[in-house]
Amino acid sequence: DAMVIQNPRYQVTQFGKPVTLSCSQTLNHNVMYWYQQKSSQAPKLLFHYYDKDFNNEADTPDNFQSRRPNTSFCFLDIRSPGLGDAAMYLCATSRDIETQYFGPGTRLLVL
Amino acid sequence: AQSVTQPDIHITVSEGASLELRCNYSYGATPYLFWYVQSPGQGLQLLLKYFSGDTLVQGIKGFEAEFKRSQSSFNLRKPSVHWSDAAEYFCAVGAREYGNKLVFGAGTILRVKS
Repeated sequence: DAMVIQNPRYQVTQFGKPVTLSCSQTLNHNVMYWYQQKSSQAPKLLFHYYDKDFNNEADTPDNFQSRRPNTSFCFLDIRSPGLGDAAMYLCATSRDIETQYFGPGTRLLVL
Repeated sequence: AQSVTQPDIHITVSEGASLELRCNYSYGATPYLFWYVQSPGQGLQLLLKYFSGDTLVQGIKGFEAEFKRSQSSFNLRKPSVHWSDAAEYFCAVGAREYGNKLVFGAGTILRVKS
C-alpha cells in the first residue's frame, strides 16, 4: 500500500564518505522532490525533477546531487557529507504542481 | 516575497478540548493551501488541502480548515483533540505562478495533556 518509499530509514555515514539515499514511488507522479529537514525546522527544498528536467534550488550546496533514472526512482547523492548535513531527508512526489505526497524520510547521521 | 507564518511554536491542549492552529500567508498569487502533520521521526502526512471552491475544507482524522482570503489565513481546527494528535503541524502554501515550490511555515508543536 506504500506510495512513496524511502530507503534506508536510517543511514549512518562517516565524515567525507559519499552516501546515496533512495526514493521510489508507486503513484506514477511526474514530479519528485528532495527536502532536507533539520531538527525543529520546516523542510527545505533542495531540488526537484519535473519529468526528466532537473531543477536545483539556488542555495543548494554543490555537495548535493540527484539522479532520476526513471519515473519511479530518484536518488540523493551527498558527495562528501559534513557534520552539518546530518538531518532528515524527505522525498515527495506530485502530479504536475498539485499536492505533494511525502515519504517516511531517511534520517542521516554523520560521524 | 512569499511567506507563511505560524505564530504559535508550541500549543498545549487538554484531551477532548477544541484546537485551532493558526496560519497566515503573504502571497502575490492565488494560493494553494495545505496542512501537513509530522510525528517524530516520520515523514509529512497530508491532512487537508484547499485549491478552490468551498472555503471550509474537511480533512482526515476529524480536522478541518477554513480559507479566509480577506485575512490571508488558513487556520486548522479540530473540535475534540485526542492524545494521538500530538505531533508537529505544518502549514504550506503554493501557487501555480510559482511552479512546484511549496513555502512552509515553521511548524506548530501540539502537546496533548490528559
